[in-house]
Formats: sequence, C-alpha cells, structure tokens
Amino acid sequence: AQSVTQPDIHITVSEGASLELRCNYSYGATPYLFWYVQSPGQGLQLLLKYFSGDTLVQGIKGFEAEFKRSQSSFNLRKPSVHWSDAAEYFCAVGPSGAGSYQLTFGKGTKLSVIP
Amino acid sequence: DAGITQSPRHKVTETGTPVTLRCHQTENHRYMYWYRQDPGHGLRLIHYSYGVKDTDKGEVSDGYSVSRSKTEDFLLTLESATSSQTSVYFCAISDSLSKTHNEQFFGPGTRLTVL
Repeated sequence: AQSVTQPDIHITVSEGASLELRCNYSYGATPYLFWYVQSPGQGLQLLLKYFSGDTLVQGIKGFEAEFKRSQSSFNLRKPSVHWSDAAEYFCAVGPSGAGSYQLTFGKGTKLSVIP
Repeated sequence: DAGITQSPRHKVTETGTPVTLRCHQTENHRYMYWYRQDPGHGLRLIHYSYGVKDTDKGEVSDGYSVSRSKTEDFLLTLESATSSQTSVYFCAISDSLSKTHNEQFFGPGTRLTVL
C-alpha cells in the first residue's frame, strides 16, 4: 500500500529565510507526486507535481521540489520565504498505472512565518 | 480555478440526523472524490467515483454513502450523523490519467458540526 510521511508537523521560519519541507513516500513503482498548499479556511491548491523526466520540478509561487528515487523523497523548497507563504502544506502520492486514480496524502506540515 | 462548488459551506446538525453534502463541477471531469480533513490526520478518502453510477469505498467509508447520477454532481450522505463525523469535507475532481497524471482539483470545503 502507498503511504506518505511528512516528518515535521510544524515549522517556523523567518521571512526571507530559505525553506525545505520534507516528504517521504512508500510505493512499489514510479509514483506521481504532488505538493498542495492550504491557506486557513481554504481548499487545497496544487503547487507542483512530478510524473516523469527532470527530477527537479518548478511550481507556482517560487516553489520547487526534487524527486530522489534512492531516498523515496520529494522535498519542497523555496529560497526566500514570504509572510504570505504561511499555510499548511501537504505532500501526496498517486499510482501511475492505468485505471488507478487515488491519491494518498501526508498529514501535513504547518508553516509559520516570523516577520 | 476549477469549477467546483460545495453546498452547504457550513452546517450544524444533531446526532442521528441524516445529512447530505453536494459537490457540483462544471469541468466534465470523470473522477470525483470525497475527503474528510481532521487535525493530525491530513486528508482521508471517504468514497470516490469513476463515472456516473460507478463508485467505490475509500479509506474511511463507514457511516457514509455516495451517489452520482450525473457527471457533474456527487453527493455524500451521512445516514445518521454522529459526533465523530464532525469534520471539514472536501470534494475533489480529476480527469483521466493520460491528461493530468491524476492531478486533483479541490472544492472550497464544507464544515460540518454534529452536536
């Protein structure tokens, strides 16, 4: 069965500092990987996704993530955090086989930004 | 933004009362999902649909039923609400794997409180 682990429940960074949110997944084949962001009281918005090719993927709002197959990781990064990045971030894994369409989500990492 | 609406957006009900939540999409996507979001648990899949009248159970389906009589509507029913079903419910949609690699788009959510 597929699973996702986000080891950090809550992270606090200063505005302008760099950010890395960790995500480890368990899946038997090549997965589809996603990062979503949820602002308070809102739904989830897709930041970026990986399905094949270049292992460094760029997303919206200046975020990027790197797929490392050997480490079963898909960590999210941003070089300089803005106060508006304060939100909860979810990593998700989905199967890539035909007829499969379920995503499994991690429990989320809440990001707080100190002005 | 993907055309997904959920109704109602907020509901307070009493234990033992039946409750139906509606998800409506204007994207003509084949797949629709219901998730619940609880602190410390992330998003958990309740039920999903892979076409009109085609549905299946997710991770936490006990106490819930769904129906999909039209492509655009996916209903979630709590036959007899319990306090453990107090949660925020999200609907999501996705198109075929070949088009979007299972990228899911989320609705704004419904906050349900069962007293």
